[in-house]
Amino acid sequence: DAKTTQPPSMDCAEGRAANLPCNHSTISGNEYVYWYRQIHSQGPQYIIHGLKNNETNEMASLIITEDRKSSTLILPHATLRDTAVYYCIVTAAGTGRRALTFGSGTRLQVQP
Amino acid sequence: GAVVSQHPSWVICKSGTSVKIECRSLDFQATTMFWYRQFPKQSLMLMATSNEGSKATYEQGVEKDKFLINHASLTLSTLTVTSAHPEDSSFYICSAPGTGNTGELFFGEGSRLTVL
Repeated sequence: DAKTTQPPSMDCAEGRAANLPCNHSTISGNEYVYWYRQIHSQGPQYIIHGLKNNETNEMASLIITEDRKSSTLILPHATLRDTAVYYCIVTAAGTGRRALTFGSGTRLQVQP
Repeated sequence: GAVVSQHPSWVICKSGTSVKIECRSLDFQATTMFWYRQFPKQSLMLMATSNEGSKATYEQGVEKDKFLINHASLTLSTLTVTSAHPEDSSFYICSAPGTGNTGELFFGEGSRLTVL
């Protein structure tokens, strides 16, 4: 799996959009970008994933650059409950039986 | 979506005792489950892969005789920490792949083990 680089921490004001960047410059053509988050003392929660097109679901939007070397997770209206560690993970497609490798992630603190 | 449940959510035990943690896939079958360990202020580290009907595979540095894994059914994997010591105190998390083929994992709530 390709290595990812994320800022260790970010702050965001409640109600504002939170934009979390991830660099994955060595990503291969068959690798997906996944985002998970972990709220304190809970198991990780899946947020969104994408291959090359931008994706949106009820939780977030994922913007992947055209060269796929970086991506941004967007929480459009951050709430206090979005305070968590966010992990960007790159893994090959068709590997539904593989474990995910977690890096250090970005600790997002949503401020009231 | 698929649900993975762990039990117990927290446990305190004395040094030298053994502790069993259960991981269940509630609405789907999981021939493979993954066990992670997370120390305070650190990221999740994969410990082992649990395979239904066969032996688990362990990551380098994880003692298979200390962390016993049993995956006896398609919906249940157990992790037993044998002869627990204070350094085994950690947050243990299991996960299972969904039925799709895109790499998504579903995680349990985690089990916090404190060894006195």
